[in-house]
Amino acid sequence: GQQVQQSPASLVLQEGENAELQCNFSTSLNSMQWFYQRPGGSLVSLFYNPSGTKHSGRLTSTTVIKERRSSLHISSSQTTDSGTYLCALEPTGNTGKLIFGLGTTLQVQP
Amino acid sequence: NAGVIQTPRHKVTGKGQEATLWCEPISGHSAVFWYRQTIVQGLEFLTYFRNQAPIDDSGMPKERFSAQMPNQSHSTLKIQSTQPQDSAVYLCASSSGGYAEQFFGPGTRLTVL
Repeated sequence: GQQVQQSPASLVLQEGENAELQCNFSTSLNSMQWFYQRPGGSLVSLFYNPSGTKHSGRLTSTTVIKERRSSLHISSSQTTDSGTYLCALEPTGNTGKLIFGLGTTLQVQP
Repeated sequence: NAGVIQTPRHKVTGKGQEATLWCEPISGHSAVFWYRQTIVQGLEFLTYFRNQAPIDDSGMPKERFSAQMPNQSHSTLKIQSTQPQDSAVYLCASSSGGYAEQFFGPGTRLTVL
C-alpha cells in the first residue's frame, strides 16, 4: 500500500484563508521533506523537517514522528500559492531515497 | 550557486531509439539521485549514487535503463530502445550526504513517439 498518504487531494481557497495539508506515513523515517511544484515546474524544497516545527514566512511545517504524521500550514493564502504540495520521507535504514506522496493540489482564488 | 543542472530540458525520441539524460549536481554535494515523475504513478525513485559509487538502484527497470556517475560533476541516465511507456519527466537531485535535504533540478521531459 501507499507508504505516504497526503490529504486532502485537492483544496480550493479564497485568498486570505488558511490551509492545513496533511501527510501520514506508515513507516519509520530518517527525514521528512516538503516540496512545492507549479504545473510543468520543478520541485522547490520548502522544508527539511525530520521532527518538530519549522517556520518560513507564512509557512509552518510540523512533524510528529510518534504519530507518524507531518503537516504544512499556509497562513493568509495568496493566489501565487496555487500549485501542488508534495511531502516525501526518507525511510530508516540509510537508504537515501525519498518516497513521495501523491500531493495536494491547491488553488487559491482571488 | 546554479543549483542542479539537467540537460536537455526536453527530448523527443522515436520508439526503439536511445536517450541519454545528463545531470550536474550542486558543487560539493556527494549524493546524486534520479527520480521519474508521471501523472499516473507520481514521483518514483530510480537510483542513487554517493561519492560516485552506486548505492541503491532498486527503482531502476531491470532492462534498458542504466545510470553512471563517471566523476563528481555529472551523472547520466541512459535508456536503450525507448518505449512509449518511458515517457515521463526525469528528475535529478543532489544532497550533501546522508540524512540531508535533497535539491532537485528542473527535469528532463522525455517523450517517446
